[in-house]
Amino acid sequence: AQSVTQLGSHVSVSEGALVLLRCNYSSSVPPYLFWYVQYPNQGLQLLLKYTTGATLVKGINGFEAEFKKSETSFHLTKPSAHMSDAAEYFCAVSLWGGGFKTIFGAGTRLFVKA
Amino acid sequence: DGGITQSPKYLFRKEGQNVTLSCEQNLNHDAMYWYRQDPGQGLRLIYYSQIVNDFQKGDIAEGYSVSREKKESFPLTVTSAQKNPTAFYLCASSIRGKVETQYFGPGTRLLVL
Repeated sequence: AQSVTQLGSHVSVSEGALVLLRCNYSSSVPPYLFWYVQYPNQGLQLLLKYTTGATLVKGINGFEAEFKKSETSFHLTKPSAHMSDAAEYFCAVSLWGGGFKTIFGAGTRLFVKA
Repeated sequence: DGGITQSPKYLFRKEGQNVTLSCEQNLNHDAMYWYRQDPGQGLRLIYYSQIVNDFQKGDIAEGYSVSREKKESFPLTVTSAQKNPTAFYLCASSIRGKVETQYFGPGTRLLVL
């Protein structure tokens, strides 16, 4: 069965420090991969996605993620954290099964310290 | 502006009561989805619809019902059979048949009195 695992339900970084949010997936076929961000009491917003082609994907707000097939990972990074990055981040896998089905990870809440 | 609207923002349910959450989109998307979000559990799929007048159960459909009479509307009813309805409910839409982004509404928080 396909699944998505986000390592760490909470991550805390200092402002200006590197952000690294980890995501691993299990899938029997090449998946399509997404990172979404959710601010408190709001819906989810797409940060970036990988479908095919270049494995390093750049998204909005300075985030990027690298698809590593051998490691079944899609970790999200940002070189320098900003206070406005504090939010919950969800990794998701989209698979075809008579229509695309998206499976979401449990989420990682990012705290940014001044 | 195109987007998805959900109403109300907060909803209170009494014991034995059915309540309906509204979801409307003007993105001309064929597919629409309902998710339930609980702390630490991510999003779980309740129902989805790929086309008007058709919908499918997701992973946690028990105690919920939907309809899809119009392309732009996908209301969710939380019935009295749903014993633990307190959660944040998110509606989303996407272009059917493509690997695509899902566009999310702002959510409805359902609380039980």
